[in-house]
Amino acid sequence: SQELEQSPQSLIVQEGKNLTINCTSSKTLYGLYWYKQKYGEGLIFLMMLQKGGEEKSHEKITAKLDEKKQQSSLHITASQPSHAGIYLCGADYKLSFGAGTTVTVRA
Amino acid sequence: EAGVTQSPTHLIKTRGQQATLRCSPISGHTSVYWYQQALGLGLQFLLWYDEGEERNRGNFPPRFSGRQFPNYSSELNVNALELEDSALYLCASIQEPSGYEQYFGPGTRLTVT
Repeated sequence: SQELEQSPQSLIVQEGKNLTINCTSSKTLYGLYWYKQKYGEGLIFLMMLQKGGEEKSHEKITAKLDEKKQQSSLHITASQPSHAGIYLCGADYKLSFGAGTTVTVRA
Repeated sequence: EAGVTQSPTHLIKTRGQQATLRCSPISGHTSVYWYQQALGLGLQFLLWYDEGEERNRGNFPPRFSGRQFPNYSSELNVNALELEDSALYLCASIQEPSGYEQYFGPGTRLTVT
């Protein structure tokens, strides 16, 4: 069974709108990674969160880690076509990934 | 600096055959992870090699095996191929023990017919 659950499975947003992806772990999280994948390609590291309450930003992408809830969220502000792709969360123990959230940005 | 490379890009095999996939990590990285990404199943951990030894194994049958060479490159072998083995196989390297960020290769698309 998947130790990391992502939601939603997919989403379609209008260009310029915000979006949020959630990742919930069934095990204690000591850190969490976010990756982006273009269809059929390798994963690109976005950021890693290590402490509860930690928040990191990279360009228009912000991620937070809620250790108590064993949950992380990834938020994209003012989405652009370049944000389209599959976003995956990965646990710090590197052996478990979420199933991914497919993001489509409509012009 | 060259990234993680994988070969071949695409591989087409028939059921029952064997497939060999190769991965070259980033220079200086000693750990290699293998993952299977099948349609609808997400990224599933297969194998982890570090310093030439298998450190961990995912929930896959023994016909999935591999090895890591002295130059830290790695090979994944899949014997007695089944249709459900069709997937994108990704490898990632990391600079253990200090590193935490995994660098992924572009993957090998294996199709079993």
